[in-house]
Amino acid sequence: DTTVKQNPRYKLARVGKPVNLICSQTMNHDTMYWYQKKPNQAPKLLLFYYDKILNREADTFEKFQSSRPNNSFCSLYIGSAGLEYSAMYLCASSSGRGDTQYFGPGTRLLVL
Amino acid sequence: GDSVTQTEGPVTVSESESLIINCTYSATSIAYPNLFWYVRYPGEGLQLLLKVITAGQKGSSRGFEATYNKETTSFHLQKASVQESDSAVYYCALGRNNYAQGLTFGLGTRVSVFP
Repeated sequence: DTTVKQNPRYKLARVGKPVNLICSQTMNHDTMYWYQKKPNQAPKLLLFYYDKILNREADTFEKFQSSRPNNSFCSLYIGSAGLEYSAMYLCASSSGRGDTQYFGPGTRLLVL
Repeated sequence: GDSVTQTEGPVTVSESESLIINCTYSATSIAYPNLFWYVRYPGEGLQLLLKVITAGQKGSSRGFEATYNKETTSFHLQKASVQESDSAVYYCALGRNNYAQGLTFGLGTRVSVFP
């Protein structure tokens, strides 16, 4: 089974409120990623967990947090949502050097 | 930083015609990146179409082919005869072959195949 699941599929949030997105995989992959996809833009890497080590991209360092309580789950946390956070958020997982990343269906976040 | 440039869509093609989506890359952080084509079919998530990790090699899947050309820094996707079911958004991407690194994607190319 190469399924990556994301919850919720759609999320409506208010400006200034926190947002928590969830991702899970059952492939025992050691690495989990979060990407942001906006219309007419390429998917952009936000951060990834290699095992228990979190790596955040420099330009999004302060905007997103994440946790990985166990191998299967990974969350993406926005402390105070702004309009600019409206986007599709893609979770992926992989195992191995340069290996294939398996993507979830995405969570569409709309901030109003 | 690394970047990927691909054919700007949308691309419209008739069934049984050939398709080519151009992809060129710039990898400043690594000499030999891994190269990927991902596809998103309507209503589905991103999925791997093919990948090539060795320069000069060709990858193929579902009738699609792409050759890793280090000299021209290109990884064009081709199919000789498309079907309506190939309608999708295609993304070219590169990955640094260091352990656990994210992908750099192109903007994606929307392809519509008409019967």
